[in-house]
Amino acid sequence: QSVLTQPPSVSAAPGQKVTISCSGNSSNIGKNYVSWFQQLPGTAPKLLIYDNNNRPSGIPDRFSGSRSGTSATLGITGLQTGDEADYYCGTWDTSLISGVFGGGTKLTVL
Amino acid sequence: QLVESGGGVVQPGRSLRLSCAASGFTFSNYGMHWIRQAPAKGLEWVAVMSYDGRNKYFADSVKGRFTISRDNSKNTLYLQMNSLRTEDTAVYYCATTSIGYSYGYFWGQGTLVTVSS
Repeated sequence: QSVLTQPPSVSAAPGQKVTISCSGNSSNIGKNYVSWFQQLPGTAPKLLIYDNNNRPSGIPDRFSGSRSGTSATLGITGLQTGDEADYYCGTWDTSLISGVFGGGTKLTVL
Repeated sequence: QLVESGGGVVQPGRSLRLSCAASGFTFSNYGMHWIRQAPAKGLEWVAVMSYDGRNKYFADSVKGRFTISRDNSKNTLYLQMNSLRTEDTAVYYCATTSIGYSYGYFWGQGTLVTVSS
């Protein structure tokens, strides 16, 4: 059971927009910065978003992050078949004194 | 960038030391995490060390068996893994911290540790 809660799967058509939610509490998302990762099959996780809403260089602006209260959201616009991957959220939990992750969300581009 | 090394195949109960070499940024300014991913599983946080080495925290699953250290003069982070178990089999990643101990900007490509008899 992951500390952060993500939907197991989401799907959308090419060109459409999708959002992936990440729910936590006041000790993790409510107090610390959230990161998002994309993991294509057989590859290392790739940082998409850090500090809630910042994109590393090279990450297209189709990817966006936001945080509100104890939840965070990853948005992906202009979906491409190459976006099919697992997506994870993660942050620090001040009460647990531990890093935490969501269980991952599998994105299918229909 | 961050480059992990030291992974390999090891028998249960034995030890292994992983290294994470940093370049291209001021290593001594950043706290550092170890994160792992078992085959077909999600990401699991393992340990973190503050930028100056004074503070370190561990996941319950590795507490008492793993230690984390760093040599800022060599821009290198270490993970000493003792009393290894089959469930420690995973790809191990190092990463910088951001504000506080949130996950940061730099991530390595990982090194595979396989614990098997």
